[in-house]
Amino acid sequence: EIVLTQSPATLSLSPGERATLSCRASQSVSSYLAWYQQKPGQAPRLLIYDASNRATGIPARFSGSGSGTDFTLTISSLEPEDFAVYYCQQRSNWRRFTFGPGTKVDIK
Amino acid sequence: EVQLVESGGGLVQPGGSLRLSCAASGFTFSSYWMSWVRQAPGKGLEWVANIKQDGSEKYYVDSVKGRFTISRDNAKNSLYLQMNSLRAEDTAVYYCARVELIYGDAFDIWGQGTMVTVSS
Repeated sequence: EIVLTQSPATLSLSPGERATLSCRASQSVSSYLAWYQQKPGQAPRLLIYDASNRATGIPARFSGSGSGTDFTLTISSLEPEDFAVYYCQQRSNWRRFTFGPGTKVDIK
Repeated sequence: EVQLVESGGGLVQPGGSLRLSCAASGFTFSSYWMSWVRQAPGKGLEWVANIKQDGSEKYYVDSVKGRFTISRDNAKNSLYLQMNSLRAEDTAVYYCARVELIYGDAFDIWGQGTMVTVSS
């Protein structure tokens, strides 16, 4: 089973600052890595797929990078609505999925 | 509008059973892999099960194998999760999600979730 590790667990930043979130896989997942945003009481929302592609309607301030085992989600300038929990997710060769434990981005 | 709506959650005793449903609309349901994902209170996301477009392939997380069964009815645009031998650790919000192959198997559409509580 592929295990995803996210760091940091919590990121305290101010609006307008840059956020850099990390996701590391226990073995290579190629580029099958997605990022989701979840706000309290809501379902997750897909932000990034295939490591670096923005999903439909996602603002350009969100970007993803990486391949293999190390991935990064960057929010270039935090908007008030961006304070949330972010999860990475991978798909193994046998259509089994795992999520990382999440990074909470909160207001400093 | 593309939409997934779950139903069937509730309170059940340990060892009991529950069947969740997910009604899909606004897209060609039979063209997509579908999944169930759950989230225990205050915890992260956990993938539970997948099912292929025609139901011929199914995959489960180890913790539910032999207890949960994913199924679908393409004529009714519906996804199901039969949950047997429920345990306290199955308590969670259960989401159905669409798997988008062109997005590298990412979950691009999610329902609002249905709460399952396993407690005596």
